[in-house]
Amino acid sequence: GIQVEQSPPDLILQEGANSTLRCNFSDSVNNLQWFHQNPWGQLINLFYIPSGTKQNGRLSATTVATERYSLLYISSSQTTDSGVYFCAVERGTSYGKLTFGQGTILTVHP
Amino acid sequence: ETGVTQTPRHLVMGMTNKKSLKCEQHLGHNAMYWYKQSAKKPLELMFVYSLEERVENNSVPSRFSPECPNSSHLFLHLHTLQPEDSALYLCASSQGVWRGSNQPQHFGDGTRLSIL
Repeated sequence: GIQVEQSPPDLILQEGANSTLRCNFSDSVNNLQWFHQNPWGQLINLFYIPSGTKQNGRLSATTVATERYSLLYISSSQTTDSGVYFCAVERGTSYGKLTFGQGTILTVHP
Repeated sequence: ETGVTQTPRHLVMGMTNKKSLKCEQHLGHNAMYWYKQSAKKPLELMFVYSLEERVENNSVPSRFSPECPNSSHLFLHLHTLQPEDSALYLCASSQGVWRGSNQPQHFGDGTRLSIL
């Protein structure tokens, strides 16, 4: 099956800092999503981005499908950004099967 | 509010009990999913339903039994579970699940299940 690798596995920031999270995948995909899981386990959709660049407030994401990677940028981080960030992909040959990476654990200190 | 509601939020049960998890989506989607998230492991897809028909069963033990009576509701019936089944169970929905459908999935808040 498709492999999804996220880096770094852990990231500790001071409030106000910027960061970049990376997601590499091993095959072509027709769906890529970034999620934020908060400490209560809620999985929040951040971006649906199989290709191109999108921005939403302090967050932006870029997927380069031909090179099989996606980046999530967090600017001016806040303590509420803490949690686990997941990248998930779906191949065109699957029936809605999202494959998740291991996640990046982000901790933002005040 | 994600438009996908799961109940209960927490469930503690013994290994011999029978219980059910419920998921309801208010997004007008026609595909629904069950995922399992164990400690320190990535989310794993369990089942996929499209138009109330199961289209994917990801080698899940028979002690987990899904049911999709209509496109808005999805259940996961549990019986004689094992301690290793303790996990967060997440439901999701999307508009379409045919090959190459290219549709994002929206998740509920999950049910945290503990098996004694």
